Amino acid sequence: AQSVTQLGSHVSVSEGALVLLRCNYSSSVPPYLFWYVQYPNQGLQLLLKYTTGATLVKGINGFEAEFKKSETSFHLTKPSAHMSDAAEYFCAVSPAFDRGSTLGRLYFGRGTQLTVWP
Amino acid sequence: KAGVTQTPRYLIKTRGQQVTLSCSPISGHRSVSWYQQTPGQGLQFLFEYFSETQRNKGNFPGRFSGRQFSNSRSEMNVSTLELGDSALYLCASKTGGSYEQYFGPGTRLTVT
Repeated sequence: AQSVTQLGSHVSVSEGALVLLRCNYSSSVPPYLFWYVQYPNQGLQLLLKYTTGATLVKGINGFEAEFKKSETSFHLTKPSAHMSDAAEYFCAVSPAFDRGSTLGRLYFGRGTQLTVWP
Repeated sequence: KAGVTQTPRYLIKTRGQQVTLSCSPISGHRSVSWYQQTPGQGLQFLFEYFSETQRNKGNFPGRFSGRQFSNSRSEMNVSTLELGDSALYLCASKTGGSYEQYFGPGTRLTVT
């Protein structure tokens, strides 16, 4: 079964500081990986994805993430935090090979609430 | 392109009632998935529909059901509501050949 672990349910940074949100997955086969952001009272917005190819992927709003197969990780970073980055961030995986019960579904981590201080 | 839309955005129901939520996917997307989001359980997969057929179902009781129409619009129904069904219900759509899903704003269901 797929599982996703986000280390740290709350992360606080100062405006202009580095943002690092951690995500590790458990899967026998490297899955497809995603980061989503959720602002209050809204749905999930796709930030970036890794499917194949370059392991460092860039997303919207200056975020990027690196897939490290040996560490089964997909950490999200942003060099300089902005007040508007305050939101909840979710890491998600989708099996790379559909196996009946996994077809078409995303497995989510529990989320990390990012607070940005002025 | 218009995004995923969900109606209604907010709903208050009483225990024992039933409710139907609606989702219109992005134009051209034939796959629609539903997720339940609660503070206690996080984001949990309910089911996925593709071309009017349920392809996959999560671990929810039979009170939760869904369907998809020929225009790819989907509805989700919950019968005999319980207090624990209070949640944000999110709908997501994707094309048949891709893996990234695009989410709607959700329907906030409160059961009293």
